[in-house]
Amino acid sequence: EAGVAQSPRYKIIEKRQSVAFWCNPISGHATLYWYQQILGQGPKLLIQFQNNGVVDDSQLPKDRFSAERLKGVDSTLKIQPAKLEDSAVYLCASSAGMLGRGGEQFFGPGTRLTVL
Amino acid sequence: GESVGLHLPTLSVQEGDNSIINCAYSNSASDYFIWYKQESGKGPQFIIDIRSNMDKRQGQRVTVLLNKTVKHLSLQIAATQPGDSAVYFCAENSGGSNYKLTFGKGTLLTVNP
Repeated sequence: EAGVAQSPRYKIIEKRQSVAFWCNPISGHATLYWYQQILGQGPKLLIQFQNNGVVDDSQLPKDRFSAERLKGVDSTLKIQPAKLEDSAVYLCASSAGMLGRGGEQFFGPGTRLTVL
Repeated sequence: GESVGLHLPTLSVQEGDNSIINCAYSNSASDYFIWYKQESGKGPQFIIDIRSNMDKRQGQRVTVLLNKTVKHLSLQIAATQPGDSAVYFCAENSGGSNYKLTFGKGTLLTVNP
């Protein structure tokens, strides 16, 4: 079974530029998550999708971050404009259902973003 | 602030020893907990989970203990191997039925051969 795919793996941009990350979840997984992991910290949930609908985006900085999952499969996360503090690894995860009920989250390798 | 934290940021053990990684949580309403392993350059990998109606769960070489009285979670790794070297995170379900995970800061486990 193929895992969660993310691209690019690395991205370096200057502050105030825009950047987009792409995620392809495990086939058939209805739930998709985007996390931000700052160096030395645990992942922090940014947004959770159930199919193409948003379940939770309470920690997404909506003035600069946006995410979509138009067809309920792939997802993109965008930052516009980027700030220095956005430097982090952005992780995508997917699950077949609810946690503890066959809904284990599978993580992709992440995209490491460096903002200069 | 974060509701999940770790007592020890680093842990160094000898190969073959048992390892214990601890985690404190503050949300008494959390009903589900997971331990993840994260190797360098990779995403977190599920190790073992436990629901709040249990106090112990065993897997292959790993055991998770939950003490709801003091809001404490631990991960025990038996016969630690060099391949166990990684950062370990505990996570709790803080979102009720939406299953929103809150991660702790992580503990770096180093296994010396």
